[in-house]
Amino acid sequence: GAVVSQHPSWVICKSGTSVKIECRSLDFQATTMFWYRQFPKQSLMLMATSNEGSKATYEQGVEKDKFLINHASLTLSTLTVTSAHPEDSSFYICSASGSAQGGFSYEQYFGPGTRLTVT
Amino acid sequence: GQNIDQPTEMTATEGAIVQINCTYQTSGFNGLFWYQQHAGEAPTFLSYNVLDGLEEKGRFSSFLSRSKGYSYLLLKELQMKDSASYLCASMDSNYQLIWGAGTKLIIKP
Repeated sequence: GAVVSQHPSWVICKSGTSVKIECRSLDFQATTMFWYRQFPKQSLMLMATSNEGSKATYEQGVEKDKFLINHASLTLSTLTVTSAHPEDSSFYICSASGSAQGGFSYEQYFGPGTRLTVT
Repeated sequence: GQNIDQPTEMTATEGAIVQINCTYQTSGFNGLFWYQQHAGEAPTFLSYNVLDGLEEKGRFSSFLSRSKGYSYLLLKELQMKDSASYLCASMDSNYQLIWGAGTKLIIKP
């Protein structure tokens, strides 16, 4: 149980275009979803936290108009990188917490990640 | 401020035991997590401690001392597949995970 999927697993796009990444909780209700970014050989960096049905809370330094997050249902959150630039190339990982396996847990279940390359 | 400290890199020998330490300072405390992350992959959950003491789970054990703001992950009978980064994360009063930079563990034959 507690499986999180991400789509696509990798994407290459041209500078100036927008890319949407989907994060789904497959077998539990994700009341909270987290979006992380990780550059090579660096630790996870939390970008934003979103609760179902409300606006995302962005970390300091993360542009909310550039990284649009939607958490419209208990099983789906999307991250849209608008007007992507080469410096946005990174590994984007979502995680989810909520009700799973008969109870509520604050443990974060991670998706497999999406590798974004902007050329 | 909030801070998680863990060593950047450690090296150990196949079959041996290694202990990865983590110290934390967070606003409130709702538990300490350890995750394993292989290169190019997302983190996977290893352990969660919220009470003092040692939690054993197969070859991996995790220890917590809340009074000292200290945890360690103990890996026994090391295997080559254990080569990965190990991330320590403390959950603060807002139930948000504060992540360490990770410890890269290199296993040598």
